[in-house]
Amino acid sequence: NAGVTQTPKFRVLKTGQSMTLLCAQDMNHEYMYWYRQDPGMGLRLIHYSVGEGTTAKGEVPDGYNVSRLKKQNFLLGLESAAPSQTSVYFCASSYPPRTGNQPQHFGDGTRLSIL
Amino acid sequence: RKEVEQDPGPFNVPEGATVAFNCTYSNSASQSFFWYRQDCRKEPKLLMSVYSSGNEDGRFTAQLNRASQYISLLIRDSKLSDSATYLCAVTEDSGAGSYQLTFGKGTKLSVIP
Repeated sequence: NAGVTQTPKFRVLKTGQSMTLLCAQDMNHEYMYWYRQDPGMGLRLIHYSVGEGTTAKGEVPDGYNVSRLKKQNFLLGLESAAPSQTSVYFCASSYPPRTGNQPQHFGDGTRLSIL
Repeated sequence: RKEVEQDPGPFNVPEGATVAFNCTYSNSASQSFFWYRQDCRKEPKLLMSVYSSGNEDGRFTAQLNRASQYISLLIRDSKLSDSATYLCAVTEDSGAGSYQLTFGKGTKLSVIP
């Protein structure tokens, strides 16, 4: 059971380059999330999706775009990478939180460096 | 802004000690509560959910105090393998039925031989 899979695991970009991070889950979860984690800042929500074809902004959405064309996939895009986007990115998924105690399950992260 | 606050630590404790972490939350309408464990350079992993009546899983006990708006995690008989960062997380309705899980910044635990 793969759970939540993120690709790539590591990437180095130059300022201004674009790239897409892929998240795939095989747990049939409706909700998916993208976080970034920086030292001293904890996990911060970038964007999330409550279902196929829907996305919403989180706490720190600027500079990122997302798409949820299929239920199992959630893509995070950086159109023009900036050094401030150097971070560890985590994807997570869950059943709808309104249905009770529904924890989020995380992928193992993507380490992204922008030079 | 909704806040979830934790003591960042580090907590340095000897093997076999009992250690307790607290986490306070600002939104009284918060509905679900969790403790996650995160090892260095790894993803957060669910340690346990926190139920209103309190719950226990082996050496770990979680409690919820809605009146004072905090959750706690107690680790008994600490092992070296318990060394990690412990994150609390709180789910709340951010409006229009949209629920957000807000994480604390984590408390670092080091268990020393």
